[in-house]
Amino acid sequence: EAQVTQNPRYLITVTGKKLTVTCSQNMNHEYMSWYRQDPGLGLRQIYYSMNVEVTDKGDVPEGYKVSRKEKRNFPLILESPSPNQTSLYFCASSLLRDWGLSGELFFGEGSRLTVL
Amino acid sequence: QKEVEQNSGPLSVPEGAIASLNCTYSDRGSQSFFWYRQYSGKSPELIMFIYSNGDKEDGRFTAQLNKASQYVSLLIRDSQPSDSATYLCAVRGEGGKLIFGQGTELSVKP
Repeated sequence: EAQVTQNPRYLITVTGKKLTVTCSQNMNHEYMSWYRQDPGLGLRQIYYSMNVEVTDKGDVPEGYKVSRKEKRNFPLILESPSPNQTSLYFCASSLLRDWGLSGELFFGEGSRLTVL
Repeated sequence: QKEVEQNSGPLSVPEGAIASLNCTYSDRGSQSFFWYRQYSGKSPELIMFIYSNGDKEDGRFTAQLNKASQYVSLLIRDSQPSDSATYLCAVRGEGGKLIFGQGTELSVKP
């Protein structure tokens, strides 16, 4: 089954404790991206990657890191989480061809992160 | 000014009516526009994309684009309770950026 898989789905952590949210897709998609969703603010792009070893900042990259060592994986790293990073996080992917034509993104189910 | 703006709603319409969702954007050079639907507790899914001025129809959905006025809208004809969701307008930015509005919550009452 074609899918984007995020882990963990739910996490409660404390300020300053490094964490990684994994994202994996099995559709051979070149394009991958991370978003956070907060009430009243919609989806805001954190980072994106057009292909392996190519990453770029979105609109809200502060406090986050990413890497794209393999095509299928795009982990989101919070080196020192703070309470303002409490949010619902979505990973998404697309074929570059489809991204260029229709802009269709396939989203994971989301990861709800709470930082105390 | 936010790059992509939508009325957050909620917008309430009776079943069978036309729901009209609006979105404005600030970058006059934007070329590609998208509507995503997000059911409560679920992930967004693409329902329409539009690049050219005018209307684009797909079943009960019509996307309208007016680049001179910098707005894009989504009409849902014969609204059904199953259309109740949050509708997200998105505009493609430079590189791999996709900029979303805050979303409009639609409620279709039986």
